[in-house]
Amino acid sequence: QKEVEQDPGPLSVPEGAIVSLNCTYSNSAFQYFMWYRQYSRKGPELLMYTYSSGNKEDGRFTAQVDKSSKYISLFIRDSQPSDSATYLCAMSANTNAGKSTFGDGTTLTVKP
Amino acid sequence: NAGVMQNPRHLVRRRGQEARLRCSPVKGHSHVYWYRQLPEEGLKFMVYLQKENIIDESGMPKERFSAEFPKEGPSILRIQQVVRGDSAAYFCASSPPSGYSGNTIYFGEGSWLTVV
Repeated sequence: QKEVEQDPGPLSVPEGAIVSLNCTYSNSAFQYFMWYRQYSRKGPELLMYTYSSGNKEDGRFTAQVDKSSKYISLFIRDSQPSDSATYLCAMSANTNAGKSTFGDGTTLTVKP
Repeated sequence: NAGVMQNPRHLVRRRGQEARLRCSPVKGHSHVYWYRQLPEEGLKFMVYLQKENIIDESGMPKERFSAEFPKEGPSILRIQQVVRGDSAAYFCASSPPSGYSGNTIYFGEGSWLTVV
């Protein structure tokens, strides 16, 4: 069983929709949680970085962590075609985000 | 991103040949990480290096793979005697020399290795 499981998708939504992307994990040691966006044939770009449980908002993006349920989510409000990409969740047990365990990604398409 | 440079972007090797992938971190970053991404999968951590030191290579295959980050020059990921299963995208990331890397990690655009 993988340490990090991510809803596989693909996900297709109309422009303006609210998108919910989710991951579950099994390792209780994970304390730091990240979401990356990856466009096709490009490197991942860090979108959100959160520590422990709670919510963090940045513009149209909200990251939510529920450590008691070992569940994290990324919400995208007012989705745009430019949000079409693969979204990867990642987690680490310490502040070194460079050594993270990644989910397999969810591919999102936002249709105009 | 803030300038992690990887080359070559695309590399084709025949089975049994060697592949060398290079990564120049963001200027001032002394921590380098290598990841491998197989098709339709997430990134898998391979190795974490600082200048002239391998800090954590727990994700590196035991044979044929090696990595270095010399005092001068780029980090190198070397794959000897490549096999078809090595075909993947290899990503390098870098972060600054502080205890908190957090949101200051940057990925390169990746090197796509195809073994024929």
